[in-house]
Amino acid sequence: GAVVSQHPSRVICKSGTSVKIECRSLDFQATTMFWYRQFPKKSLMLMATSNEGSKATYEQGVEKDKFLINHASLTLSTLTVTSAHPEDSSFYICSARDSTSGGYEQYFGPGTRLTVT
Amino acid sequence: QKEVEQDPGPLSVPEGAIVSLNCTYSNSAFQYFMWYRQYSRKGPELLMYTYSSGNKEDGRFTAQVDKSSKYISLFIRDSQPSDSATYLCAMPLDSSYKLIFGSGTRLLVRP
Repeated sequence: GAVVSQHPSRVICKSGTSVKIECRSLDFQATTMFWYRQFPKKSLMLMATSNEGSKATYEQGVEKDKFLINHASLTLSTLTVTSAHPEDSSFYICSARDSTSGGYEQYFGPGTRLTVT
Repeated sequence: QKEVEQDPGPLSVPEGAIVSLNCTYSNSAFQYFMWYRQYSRKGPELLMYTYSSGNKEDGRFTAQVDKSSKYISLFIRDSQPSDSATYLCAMPLDSSYKLIFGSGTRLLVRP
C-alpha cells in the first residue's frame, strides 16, 4: 500500500520551454501533497505544499509563477516548471500524505530528473 | 543550531554488522519521528515511524526515541549490502504536516 507514482521519471527540455511533472497517489487519497527539490548529495528542499482544491503554499524563496502547482483531485498533483533554464535542472520529488491517516507520514514518489539544455 | 542534526557519514561497515544511525533535535515539541531510506536517484522510502519514547521493532530494524535527550536512533541488525543507502530522519514541523529532515547519513555495507 501507500504507493506514489511520478511521471515522467526523466525529462530533457530546451531552455525557455515548460515541463509538467505529475504526481499520483495510487492506492490512497491525498488532500495534501508536497513538492521537493534535491541537489546531488544534499537533503530534500521543500518547495511547496499542494492542497486539493486550493492554492499551493510556497516556501520562502520559491517563485510561484515559475513553479506552478495544481492539485485538482485527491490523487493527482502537478508541478509545471515554466520557462525552464539550466539552473532549474534538478531532481524533483513529490510526496503525499494519506488523508485517512492520523499521522504525519509522507509517502514519496520515485522522483523526476529534469535536465534543461 | 539546526533543528535536526544528523552525521552525514559515510558510515562503512562489513556485512552482518549492527548499524546505529542517529539524529538529535532541538525542539522539545517534536512528538513524531520517522526514518526514511533513500537509494541513489530514487525517492525516499518510509522505513519506520514512532510517536513515543522507547523502542519499536520491525524485522531487522529498531527505532529508538529518547525524548529526554532529544535523541533518536535507527538500528539495523545483520546488515546487508542492499542496506547501502542514505538514511534520513524526519519530524513534523507543526500541524501543517510539513516535515523537517536531517541531512542524511550515507551507509555503505561491504560484502
